[in-house]
Amino acid sequence: QKEVEQNSGPLSVPEGAIASLNCTYSDRGSQSFFWYRQYSGKSPELIMFIYSNGDKEDGRFTAQLNKASQYVSLLIRDSQPSDSATYLCAVIPGGYSSASKIIFGSGTRLSIRP
Amino acid sequence: DGGITQSPKYLFRKEGQNVTLSCEQNLNHDAMYWYRQDPGQGLRLIYYSQIVNDFQKGDIAEGYSVSREKKESFPLTVTSAQKNPTAFYLCASSVDTQLRPQHFGDGTRLSIL
Repeated sequence: QKEVEQNSGPLSVPEGAIASLNCTYSDRGSQSFFWYRQYSGKSPELIMFIYSNGDKEDGRFTAQLNKASQYVSLLIRDSQPSDSATYLCAVIPGGYSSASKIIFGSGTRLSIRP
Repeated sequence: DGGITQSPKYLFRKEGQNVTLSCEQNLNHDAMYWYRQDPGQGLRLIYYSQIVNDFQKGDIAEGYSVSREKKESFPLTVTSAQKNPTAFYLCASSVDTQLRPQHFGDGTRLSIL
C-alpha cells in the first residue's frame, strides 16, 4: 500500500466550478500535510499547508483535513484555466518532526475546461 | 528577490561521466534538499542537509554525492554509478527541518547522451 495516494486523473472541471482534489495517507499518526501545484515541466510550488483537523482557507483554496478518516482534500473555488496543473499532496508521517521525512504522492492532474 | 537558483536547466551526461548540478539559495535557510522526480511519479529524496558541513542520505542516495561547504550552496553530483540518471532534479530549502514547508528551485532536467 502506498503511503500517500492520489488519483492520477486527469480530473476535468468546467471553468468557474469547484475542483475537489483528494489524498489519503496510511500513517494514522501523521501531523503535517502540504499541497503543491506543479505546472508541466516546472518545479512544485507550495500553495497550502495544514496541521490541524478541519478547514483552512486561503483565497480560492481550502484545505480540509480529516485525521480520523486519514484524508486531506484541496478545494479550488471559481476554477480558472490557470489552475490546470498537477497537484501534489505531501505528508510528514507520525513520529517524525523533520521535513526530511516528507512523503509525496504522485499527483493528480487537473484540467479546467473553458 | 530571495529564492533558489538551480543550474543548468538542462544537462546531458555521457556514459561513465560524473556531472554536478548546482543549487544556490539566498533565503538564509539552514536546511536544503535534493529530490528526483520521474515522469508521473512523486518526488523522492536523494540527500538533505540540516546545517553546513553536515548532510544525510535520503531514500535513493546510491550513485549520488553532495557537499555543503557553504550555507547558500548544496551541489549534487550524479556519478557514473547511477545507472538510470535520466530524471528531473529538484533542489529545495526550508528554514529548518522541523515541520517547515519547503520551497523549490526551478529544477534541472538530466538526460543521457
